[in-house]
Amino acid sequence: EPEVTQTPSHQVTQMGQEVILRCVPISNHLYFYWYRQILGQKVEFLVSFYNNEISEKSEIFDDQFSVERPDGSNFTLKIRSTKLEDSAMYFCASSAGGNQPQHFGDGTRLSIL
Amino acid sequence: QKEVEQNSGPLSVPEGAIASLNCTYSDRGSQSFFWYRQYSGKSPELIMSIYSNGDKEDGRFTAQLNKASQYVSLLIRDSQPSDSATYLCAVSSGGSNYKLTFGKGTLLTVNP
Repeated sequence: EPEVTQTPSHQVTQMGQEVILRCVPISNHLYFYWYRQILGQKVEFLVSFYNNEISEKSEIFDDQFSVERPDGSNFTLKIRSTKLEDSAMYFCASSAGGNQPQHFGDGTRLSIL
Repeated sequence: QKEVEQNSGPLSVPEGAIASLNCTYSDRGSQSFFWYRQYSGKSPELIMSIYSNGDKEDGRFTAQLNKASQYVSLLIRDSQPSDSATYLCAVSSGGSNYKLTFGKGTLLTVNP
């Protein structure tokens, strides 16, 4: 069964450094998302992406965050200058249509020191 | 602020019993509803989607939606120890807004 793949599985970074989290969505999916989950808290929406542009972003997704689909398969989340509070599990998701079920990758655990 | 509320649990049921998980949502315009299962330290795994009022069955799982009451539930029949996990209710408002708003999840424990 096709799946969303994310790399790396765990990223440890010093505060203030830039990180790029990578995702390969399911190949025929058109809608892409990033969510995060701080330990013990609920899954929170960050950004949605469709037709090569951001369709919606949350208030968490400030100027430090950016997303890109550099080629036909990858979807990346960049955090420019990481803060301690960025430590969380980051999930990429994709769906075939806007209101279709979103399928999640295994996540990247980001630890900021 | 659109909210999705779930009892955090834990909900404990014996093996073979029916587990009933509930969820309410605040946005009356919500159109798509999903149940995900999340094992500790893992990612959300889709179990069911439901879009219209009534029941939808898939194997041991039944999702129920009542838009008038802004209520969605998940029944798990013949519960197994492997069903022990946190169950997340997620709601999408639809229109051009497809983001999922999640509840905090209900921790289900199925006792052998």
